[in-house]
Amino acid sequence: GNSVTQMEGPVTLSEEAFLTINCTYTATGYPSLFWYVQYPGEGLQLLLKATKADDKGSNKGFEATYRKETTSFHLEKGSVQVSDSAVYFCALKAGSSYKLIFGSGTRLLVRP
Amino acid sequence: EAGVAQSPRYKIIEKRQSVAFWCNPISGHATLYWYQQILGQGPKLLIQFQNNGVVDDSQLPKDRFSAERLKGVDSTLKIQPAKLEDSAVYLCASSPGTGEGYTFGSGTRLTVV
Repeated sequence: GNSVTQMEGPVTLSEEAFLTINCTYTATGYPSLFWYVQYPGEGLQLLLKATKADDKGSNKGFEATYRKETTSFHLEKGSVQVSDSAVYFCALKAGSSYKLIFGSGTRLLVRP
Repeated sequence: EAGVAQSPRYKIIEKRQSVAFWCNPISGHATLYWYQQILGQGPKLLIQFQNNGVVDDSQLPKDRFSAERLKGVDSTLKIQPAKLEDSAVYLCASSPGTGEGYTFGSGTRLTVV
């Protein structure tokens, strides 16, 4: 079946460090891929998305490229800030289904 | 634009009791979803409504969980009787009807003791 695997956290970085959070997926066909962010006490917010191979999604300095050959959608940011501390979820939507399938989430902690 | 409203924000109940959660989606959104997020895991879809009809409830434990969406707007999710393993955050989301443009509510955190 369809699934998403994320690197386990927590990931602890110093401010201005480079961030990578790995995400790989298993799906039939050509899923759409998403990164959601969950700040403490808040709901999930869409961070970025990509709908076809080689698409690059970007927002707020974050970016991820849809790599079909490696079935990956890794999240990157060149210089993290304390305000980026949150839990990040990779997700996919496959076929005609509206259902989002999420990974287990990766907690990011950025220290000043 | 108002977001997806959920209540209550927190709920603590004893096992075998019943509980209900309420969700008001974004105005005009045809599709409404309930997700369960257990601590340390990603959200999992429980049920999806299109207007007031059920599209997908394959992951809903129907012996104890029920949900309805009256008049295709508000929705209520009920658990009766609750078990310890139902402790989780229950997230409501809505979308215009195409599966794109999901908006999530802040969730209801349920603790079963």
